[in-house]
Amino acid sequence: AQKITQTQPGMFVQEKEAVTLDCTYDTSDPSYGLFWYKQPSSGEMIFLIYQGSYDQQNATEGRYSLNFQKARKSANLVISASQLGDSAMYFCAMRERNDRGSTLGRLYFGRGTQLTVWP
Amino acid sequence: SQTIHQWPATLVQPVGSPLSLECTVEGTSNPNLYWYRQAAGRGLQLLFYSVGIGQISSEVPQNLSASRPQDRQFILSSKKLLLSDSGFYLCAWSLGTGAPNEKLFFGSGTQLSVL
Repeated sequence: AQKITQTQPGMFVQEKEAVTLDCTYDTSDPSYGLFWYKQPSSGEMIFLIYQGSYDQQNATEGRYSLNFQKARKSANLVISASQLGDSAMYFCAMRERNDRGSTLGRLYFGRGTQLTVWP
Repeated sequence: SQTIHQWPATLVQPVGSPLSLECTVEGTSNPNLYWYRQAAGRGLQLLFYSVGIGQISSEVPQNLSASRPQDRQFILSSKKLLLSDSGFYLCAWSLGTGAPNEKLFFGSGTQLSVL
């Protein structure tokens, strides 16, 4: 089964509008972390935001917020006031532990959502 | 501040030729190091990770190998490239706490085309 599912291959949003990028995950580990990364056309992966499984509040970082719905295993990224520079591929990722409690090598990425912001 | 350097940015190699991609990290000690591959239109697949010099873990069986000759140097190699080795290769590092909130910081990537 897929660890991370991003069902939207592409999304379009007008400048200054908000947009939600979907992400669902699958894990049996009660202690896990969720990440969003942005990959512009240059190829570099840029960390955006993190949500821990025990965090009570949704994570926020500037214009980015994570809509964390634990029971639904959902971790959607919300970008408010979109800017042209937000056009990029966005990846959701999850880190879980192995049976020895280590997270090493256990960061799983979704296939990404290509966001296009138009003027 | 910490920086990660990865080179070359692009590489075109014939099938059967060797490969060596290099990654170095500056500004930190004893980082965890990772090699990921991103096939066109796909997410990232972890290839190798390393927690220290000479310590390499492989996630998937493949035509590639990795080495860590120095604390902040990570090398991805192949003796004979296959067409299926084409892709975008990303090196990454983390602080190595092994915790769920351990962030990865990525290099700028190498676009490898095997012809």
